[in-house]
Amino acid sequence: DAEITQSPRHKITETGRQVTLACHQTWNHNNMFWYRQDLGHGLRLIHYSYGVQDTNKGEVSDGYSVSRSNTEDLPLTLESAASSQTSVYFCASSLNRDDIQYFGAGTRLSVL
Amino acid sequence: AQSVSQHNHHVILSEAASLELGCNYSYGGTVNLFWYVQYPGQHLQLLLKYFSGDPLVKGIKGFEAEFIKSKFSFNLRKPSVQWSDTAEYFCAARETGANNLFFGTGTRLTVIP
Repeated sequence: DAEITQSPRHKITETGRQVTLACHQTWNHNNMFWYRQDLGHGLRLIHYSYGVQDTNKGEVSDGYSVSRSNTEDLPLTLESAASSQTSVYFCASSLNRDDIQYFGAGTRLSVL
Repeated sequence: AQSVSQHNHHVILSEAASLELGCNYSYGGTVNLFWYVQYPGQHLQLLLKYFSGDPLVKGIKGFEAEFIKSKFSFNLRKPSVQWSDTAEYFCAARETGANNLFFGTGTRLTVIP
């Protein structure tokens, strides 16, 4: 079955380290998204991509970067992890702009 | 800027009670509206959506929501909750034709057996 997978599911890192969270979808969806989920804030959009080589900043993009070299993957990189980036990160994808977004299982990141 | 408000942060109900979770959005144009559910330890799943047409939308697991344009609301309802409905519920909205979803802060529902 087609799906969207995130790895790792849990990650502990230290302040200042570079961290990359993986997101892989097998639906051949054009659009992919990264959100972070924090208590009291719900989900907030970090970055999104409408297709290969396309990336866009979301509401809370500072400190994060993404690249889209193929349809299936949108890795999220924290260049220099900060404690404020401790959160649960969700990847999502949709076929077209008006379509439903489907979510991965999430990555719980702790920055110590 | 567009925003979504969920005023109930935590709701506790006994099994068989009726449920209504509030959701209001701020955007004045044409919107698509969604309710997602997140069961403990799991990813978000779509409960139901409204794009156009009948403002009363039926979703999975007996949930429904009503779009009231004049009130900018999209409240979620279920006539009789079950223990298995214990989860966090997120309302989301986006401008029609846009990609960016805006989420509410979520409502935690606890159903007591």
